[in-house]
Amino acid sequence: GQQLNQSPQSMFIQEGEDVSMNCTSSSIFNTWLWYKQDPGEGPVLLIALYKAGELTSNGRLTAQFGITRKDSFLNISASIPSDVGIYFCAGRETSGSRLTFGEGTQLTVNP
Amino acid sequence: KAGVTQTPRYLIKTRGQQVTLSCSPISGHRSVSWYQQTPGQGLQFLFEYFSETQRNKGNFPGRFSGRQFSNSRSEMNVSTLELGDSALYLCASSGGPGNQPQHFGDGTRLSIL
Repeated sequence: GQQLNQSPQSMFIQEGEDVSMNCTSSSIFNTWLWYKQDPGEGPVLLIALYKAGELTSNGRLTAQFGITRKDSFLNISASIPSDVGIYFCAGRETSGSRLTFGEGTQLTVNP
Repeated sequence: KAGVTQTPRYLIKTRGQQVTLSCSPISGHRSVSWYQQTPGQGLQFLFEYFSETQRNKGNFPGRFSGRQFSNSRSEMNVSTLELGDSALYLCASSGGPGNQPQHFGDGTRLSIL
C-alpha cells in the first residue's frame, strides 16, 4: 500500500525561528493537505494543495505541492509558542477520496 | 457554522463488548470518513460514506462497520472489542467525495479494559 514518510519526527526550536517539514510518497497524489493537531482535539486543516507546483500561504504558513506529485513541504515562519503541536501531512491518491497520513511532526517552541 | 460533532467524547468498554460511535458532519456536507488514531499506527482510514453508501473501506476486520443516514449523520460500530481497539476514533466530513478537503471532529477516545 501507499506510504507517506514525514520528516522530521520532532523539532525543538526557539521562538522566532523558521520551521520546515516535508512529506514524500511512494505514490502520486492529486491532493496534499496539511493539518495541525493539539492534545485532546482533532486535526485542524491548515492548507490544501490541488495542483503540482502550487504554492499556498496561510498567514505565517506556506506549503507547496511538489512537481513530481509525490512530495510536499510546509514552512512556518517566525514561530510562536502557540505553534506547538503535531503537524500531519495527508495525501489523496488520484482515484478515490481516502486520505493517507504521514506519521506527524511534533513541534516544540521554546519561548 | 458548527463543526463536526462526535459523541461521546470518551468511552470505556471491556473486551467482548460492542460500541457505537456517532458523527454529525458540518451542515451541508454529505461525505463522512472515519479514521482510527493510535500512537503506534498513526491515522488509519476506516471507511467513507456518501449518500448513505459506503464508497471506500480500509484494511480493518469485519468487526468494524458503519452506516450513514439520510441526514448525512454517520455511526460506526465495533463488535467483540479487543484491547487493541483502544484508540481515538476521528470522523471527518467534506462536501462530497473526491477532491475536497476533509474537516475533522475532536474524536471519541475509546479505552478497552
